[in-house]
Amino acid sequence: DSGVTQTPKHLITATGQRVTLRCSPRSGDLSVYWYQQSLDQGLQFLIQYYNGEERAKGNILERFSAQQFPDLHSELNLSSLELGDSALYFCASTLTGTGANVLTFGAGSRLTVL
Amino acid sequence: GQNIDQPTEMTATEGAIVQINCTYQTSGFNGLFWYQQHAGEAPTFLSYNVLDGLEEKGRFSSFLSRSKGYSYLLLKELQMKDSASYLCAVRPYGQNFVFGPGTRLSVLP
Repeated sequence: DSGVTQTPKHLITATGQRVTLRCSPRSGDLSVYWYQQSLDQGLQFLIQYYNGEERAKGNILERFSAQQFPDLHSELNLSSLELGDSALYFCASTLTGTGANVLTFGAGSRLTVL
Repeated sequence: GQNIDQPTEMTATEGAIVQINCTYQTSGFNGLFWYQQHAGEAPTFLSYNVLDGLEEKGRFSSFLSRSKGYSYLLLKELQMKDSASYLCAVRPYGQNFVFGPGTRLSVLP
């Protein structure tokens, strides 16, 4: 157990729908990162939050949004889902928002869009 | 910009030693990381280099040469469970983590 908790572990939904993925960072970590990994692809950085504020944005689609709440948990919202959104979505956390902290990943949420 | 290159696939035999290379182009970074990722699972941290040289951690070692823009991960006494993807990553100054495409290692009996 890495200490980073993601729910749900698996999610199957239809095109056009909206889903919310949830992440609780490791205890004490202030920064949360979201990554997307499609089948046999590399990790694609989506977005980073630090202590409730957006810190950096990667290749995140406009249909996707995220936030980090005062208790530091984060949610990634995916809307108007398309078949190509099927992927593993990982949340990771670090102690601070910068520097060489080790990224600790959650187990991921596997999204299947039918 | 930043770019990280790794071999796509490697194959080795159980009990052998394998070296997975990583080359990067970035002007400066805080550290270089190696992660292991089994299929369908989360990446897990293996090692971190901030200074040039070799960092040893049991069967795994990682080497960094900043002047050459080069790192490698050395896996000794390979076991079947070492079959996984190995990701090289850097965090350039003031920027976010950049991950390489990963090297898929297959360990054969």
